[in-house]
Amino acid sequence: DVKVTQSSRYLVKRTGEKVFLECVQDMDHENMFWYRQDPGLGLRLIYFSYDVKMKEKGDIPEGYSVSREKKERFSLILESASTNQTSMYLCASSFRETDSPDTGELFFGEGSRLTVL
Amino acid sequence: QKEVEQNSGPLSVPEGAIASLNCTYSDRGSQSFFWYRQYSGKSPELIMFIYSNGDKEDGRFTAQLNKASQYVSLLIRDSQPSDSATYLCAVNVEDDKIIFGKGTRLHILP
Repeated sequence: DVKVTQSSRYLVKRTGEKVFLECVQDMDHENMFWYRQDPGLGLRLIYFSYDVKMKEKGDIPEGYSVSREKKERFSLILESASTNQTSMYLCASSFRETDSPDTGELFFGEGSRLTVL
Repeated sequence: QKEVEQNSGPLSVPEGAIASLNCTYSDRGSQSFFWYRQYSGKSPELIMFIYSNGDKEDGRFTAQLNKASQYVSLLIRDSQPSDSATYLCAVNVEDDKIIFGKGTRLHILP
């Protein structure tokens, strides 16, 4: 059974704090993603990683960075949290579709709800 | 910027009727298309994916793809109250990068 685990379900941080959101998957997936979800805006891609140490910017990378030192772990970092980063953050993983043409399915974690005061 | 467009709804459909959800995408090079369902307070879960033009059926669900019109749809037959959720259209825009539409809220009326 595929499992994507996000380290914290709920976090409350203060403006200016550095925030780490951790995500671990146990299915040996090549691809890992960080999205944020806000009412009326849907899921927006922050960063995407297709391999260890590889990353690509999504649609809204400003204010965020990521780290993928091991295949199973993908971290999202907010260097200096701001109130407009209050959101639900969803991590997901998938097989590389070029290797498995009939897949591409994203498996999501349960989400991390971040509040920045 | 590559985009996926959906009507936000809510779309209200009587129980037992057909629910029709639509999605358009901007990247003509996209090859893979997905429909996810998201219940309130839960994470999205995949219900259908489609790669080829035409229809793909899975139980009460049918996905339809028209690459020339850059249009994807999802039909839900015999709608049930448990189908009430937000439906997210997702598109693989390049090298496995997947972006989502804003979602359509579907409400099945008992």
